[in-house]
Amino acid sequence: ETGVTQSPTHLIKTRGQQVTLRCSSQSGHNTVSWYQQALGQGPQFIFQYYREEENGRGNFPPRFSGLQFPNYSSELNVNALELDDSALYLCASSLLRDDGGYTFGSGTRLTVV
Amino acid sequence: AQKVTQAQTEISVVEKEDVTLDCVYETRDTTYYLFWYKQPPSGELVFLIRRNSFDEQNEISGRYSWNFQKSTSSFNFTITASQVVDSAVYFCALSEAGDDKIIFGKGTRLHILP
Repeated sequence: ETGVTQSPTHLIKTRGQQVTLRCSSQSGHNTVSWYQQALGQGPQFIFQYYREEENGRGNFPPRFSGLQFPNYSSELNVNALELDDSALYLCASSLLRDDGGYTFGSGTRLTVV
Repeated sequence: AQKVTQAQTEISVVEKEDVTLDCVYETRDTTYYLFWYKQPPSGELVFLIRRNSFDEQNEISGRYSWNFQKSTSSFNFTITASQVVDSAVYFCALSEAGDDKIIFGKGTRLHILP
């Protein structure tokens, strides 16, 4: 069991740029979810991927998109970065319909300047 | 609609004191799951407990205990004999059965003072 790893750990981008964050799921998990955690807030659900397709989405605009690969690793892409996108982005892997058996990574802290 | 409320934004207690973190939830489903997570400064969310809506038994794990009361929609967390290493942000969260997202509260920042 390897846990969930995310890269990079920290990132600074300029407003308007695009960013890609990466997540390697825990071994055996087929589902990955992404959360955004603004400073002083709880994590908010962005979307979930299962078998390489989006399986649910929170209240985030289309400039937030993702990919899941056959090895269950995943990417979160954000286009046209805004200052409010500055946050900790957390990846969580699970088995679909396991109703909460999530393993979270340590996150990527994104700062948009 | 789903909602989790953690009314205590920040709590400070002296080491060895007991402390209770409050959590109130809202859901229209009869089947749901409640969680507590710990987030140390490193940022990782550390899973503490998951409780399903049909199991109202209180649970104790070492110095940690949880009190689930459906009648008041509460799922409170108590740390007994607190230690400095317990200092962190604690999140209560809710997931409805068949829904793949977790709804988090805003968290309670706990300071354990030596």
